[in-house]
Amino acid sequence: KQEVTQIPAALSVPEGENLVLNCSFTDSAIYNLQWFRQDPGKGLTSLLLIQSSQREQTSGRLNASLDKSSGRSTLYIAASQPGDSATYLCARKSDSWGKLQFGAGTQVVVTP
Amino acid sequence: EAGVAQSPRYKIIEKRQSVAFWCNPISGHATLYWYQQILGQGPKLLIQFQNNGVVDDSQLPKDRFSAERLKGVDSTLKIQPAKLEDSAVYLCASSLDTNEQFFGPGTRLTVL
Repeated sequence: KQEVTQIPAALSVPEGENLVLNCSFTDSAIYNLQWFRQDPGKGLTSLLLIQSSQREQTSGRLNASLDKSSGRSTLYIAASQPGDSATYLCARKSDSWGKLQFGAGTQVVVTP
Repeated sequence: EAGVAQSPRYKIIEKRQSVAFWCNPISGHATLYWYQQILGQGPKLLIQFQNNGVVDDSQLPKDRFSAERLKGVDSTLKIQPAKLEDSAVYLCASSLDTNEQFFGPGTRLTVL
């Protein structure tokens, strides 16, 4: 069974610390991997998309890496701020027409 | 650019009643998706449309759920009759091709 796992399920850090969020998938077949942010009661906001041919993507304070051989992706958020508090989800697509398979998310709280 | 629009944002119904959700994708996006997100879990794909044709509905409970995308633009998702376990957030997403997906704010359904 293809699964996407996110560890930890919840994380609390003081403002200014760097955040490291992990995503792993059991099947190494990957077309792309997408990281999302979800605020309470809201939809999903796309943060970064990494194609299978890429090793990382960066946007501002966010950096996402992809290691296909180990079936892992990591989202780094530098110098965290209280506004970064949200649930972060990763989703893997195994081929161009395949469905997005989501992890359950990591709930992040950044305390002032 | 306008994002994905969904309505209603919230709906409360009794079990065995019917309900319908509406989605308007980003202009020009040929692919439209409906996801179900149960509290504490990642979204699960219910159905994927390419223009007005169904690409994947393998996880759609067809005895009670139906969806259509007439004219390849707007889409409606219907549940009839609703069960308690249908309580969830229903998310609509669209994409220009098979890559990055953009999500709407979702409809929170509570079945009593």
